[in-house]
Amino acid sequence: ETGVTQTPRHLVMGMTNKKSLKCEQHLGHNAMYWYKQSAKKPLELMFVYNFKEQTENNSVPSRFSPECPNSSHLFLHLHTLQPEDSALYLCASSQEAKKNAYGYTFGSGTRLTVV
Amino acid sequence: GQQLNQSPQSMFIQEGEDVSMNCTSSSIFNTWLWYKQEPGEGPVLLIALYKAGELTSNGRLTAQFGITRKDSFLNISASIPSDVGIYFCAGQDSNYQLIWGAGTKLIIKP
Repeated sequence: ETGVTQTPRHLVMGMTNKKSLKCEQHLGHNAMYWYKQSAKKPLELMFVYNFKEQTENNSVPSRFSPECPNSSHLFLHLHTLQPEDSALYLCASSQEAKKNAYGYTFGSGTRLTVV
Repeated sequence: GQQLNQSPQSMFIQEGEDVSMNCTSSSIFNTWLWYKQEPGEGPVLLIALYKAGELTSNGRLTAQFGITRKDSFLNISASIPSDVGIYFCAGQDSNYQLIWGAGTKLIIKP
């Protein structure tokens, strides 16, 4: 596989469930990102990992918990979400964080619906 | 915080028409990027601009980095059905923060 792969593509979960989103990149990049995309709004950066270390957490509620076991994999663990958390969650990678903005490669996203 | 104002929010056009969209900000950016997102996919980079006044083309797409470094526009000439999607601008500031516009949705009438 090539590029950035996200699974699952769609997820419906109840407010009391625990689920995880997975992202994998095959580009040899060292930085990975989680973004939240809501309709008609700018992309919201949630977390940044650079060389497996979290370098940014943009005031994201603790019900979202990221994990980056290595430079190729990124997870977003979800628990006790709210309906307003329903959105498209996009993973991206780049060679290195804080540089080369043109080098972002995005996955296809996970469409999350919280019921 | 920094914001980008992207307009128009949506466009309904006939196939073959030219399209123009722009992004403006009160902040200065060092890099302007234009992305396209098709349904069910993530954004894909179309054009990157690095210098004030720079004009760059990618096929039928042309983008410019405004002289003031606070704006950018994207033109699409002779639109075709596969141009449909949402176009996003993004500006990168001196702290490497990437600020995104809210997108322009392009719909082409058959």
